[in-house]
Amino acid sequence: DAGITQSPRHKVTETGTPVTLRCHQTENHRYMYWYRQDPGHGLRLIHYSYGVKDTDKGEVSDGYSVSRSKTEDFLLTLESATSSQTSVYFCAISESRSATYNEQFFGPGTRLTVL
Amino acid sequence: GENVEQHPSTLSVQEGDSAVIKCTYSDSASNYFPWYKQELGKRPQLIIDIRSNVGEKKDQRIAVTLNKTAKHFSLHITETQPEDSAVYFCAANLPWGDDKIIFGKGTRLHILP
Repeated sequence: DAGITQSPRHKVTETGTPVTLRCHQTENHRYMYWYRQDPGHGLRLIHYSYGVKDTDKGEVSDGYSVSRSKTEDFLLTLESATSSQTSVYFCAISESRSATYNEQFFGPGTRLTVL
Repeated sequence: GENVEQHPSTLSVQEGDSAVIKCTYSDSASNYFPWYKQELGKRPQLIIDIRSNVGEKKDQRIAVTLNKTAKHFSLHITETQPEDSAVYFCAANLPWGDDKIIFGKGTRLHILP
């Protein structure tokens, strides 16, 4: 597996609390992504980053924010967690944008439960 | 924007038989179509991909076909084995801007003994 770690791997929290998930890579890849995976919905892009301090929204960004202050770290924050944000969160990385596109490598995932 | 439809959502086949999963996409400018496999409790991993300049690509028991005119692509697994049991996701790239892909909703493949 590519050098991608996610922390924590499991978290249970209460509605209204802030939560931050961390993705760390050792591959020096430019692009980093946050997805959520839910039954019947597949993998949906929340936010992505195309460089340090460069981020943009995906298809399900409401209620989430991200930050990338270093190439290796991409943080996903739920400012005030809701039960609808109970999900498995995957981080992914890819080397660079190119005409032929590049494989996305996924992290091990974080299972988040919001009670 | 791009929309990727995947069918069926669940597929059961006898071990040794073939399995076919089909996907359609909406944006005719998409030109990269990867397939990911996710085993239970694991992360998705790329198993094969195809670019729009070819119509078919094979890798041992796995093949992918692409019909750009009809905007659909398919995954074919021959001589299925128990380790093929997993969820499979198709995807298509967003042809403009940054390096993003849109995933289908997934197909859960069961290989029956």
